[in-house]
Amino acid sequence: GAVVSQHPSRVICKSGTSVKIECRSLDFQATTMFWYRQFPKQSLMLMATSNEGSKATYEQGVEKDKFLINHASLTLSTLTVTSAHPEDSSFYICSARGQGGGYTFGSGTRLTVV
Amino acid sequence: KQEVTQIPAALSVPEGENLVLNCSFTDSAIYNLQWFRQDPGKGLTSLLLIQSSQREQTSGRLNASLDKSSGRSTLYIAASQPGDSATYLCAVRNDYKLSFGAGTTVTVRA
Repeated sequence: GAVVSQHPSRVICKSGTSVKIECRSLDFQATTMFWYRQFPKQSLMLMATSNEGSKATYEQGVEKDKFLINHASLTLSTLTVTSAHPEDSSFYICSARGQGGGYTFGSGTRLTVV
Repeated sequence: KQEVTQIPAALSVPEGENLVLNCSFTDSAIYNLQWFRQDPGKGLTSLLLIQSSQREQTSGRLNASLDKSSGRSTLYIAASQPGDSATYLCAVRNDYKLSFGAGTTVTVRA
């Protein structure tokens, strides 16, 4: 079945630095990928929709200059958290839509900004 | 705006008991509904996908029903096992976006 690989699984960074998270579709091509954020014991909130070869579409309230998304190929989307601050600490998950309309999710990235 | 509600928020049952998890949504114009499992600190594993034209889907001990007109879905897990302990999320798709419920955290006691 469809597999989405997300790396890294955990990252700790210093405040003010940038962190890049990768999301790859391993056995299918994904023209569209999605980035979510999840706070403890809360549901997933869609941050942005990543479109291959074009600009990402951000949800209301998400700073596009802080959360940079690049979708340069049909199998890779990246999310870069720029100038990270402690309030950016969260669990970030990507997903891609496969054949049949279902969505496959990556394993998530736990970001801790200290 | 689609709103998805899951009840109960948490559930604890002894091993062997059947589980019933509920999901309701406000906008019935959905493409499909998907149930996921999430273990602590992990990503989401898809359990069942129900297209809007379907009434139910089954996989092993899992059965999910969908009543689109009333905006409800129910996930049944038969003969629960300790390994079923996790958070279960339902998500509905409108257009290309998924809207998630807050999940039901299940604990199956051995």
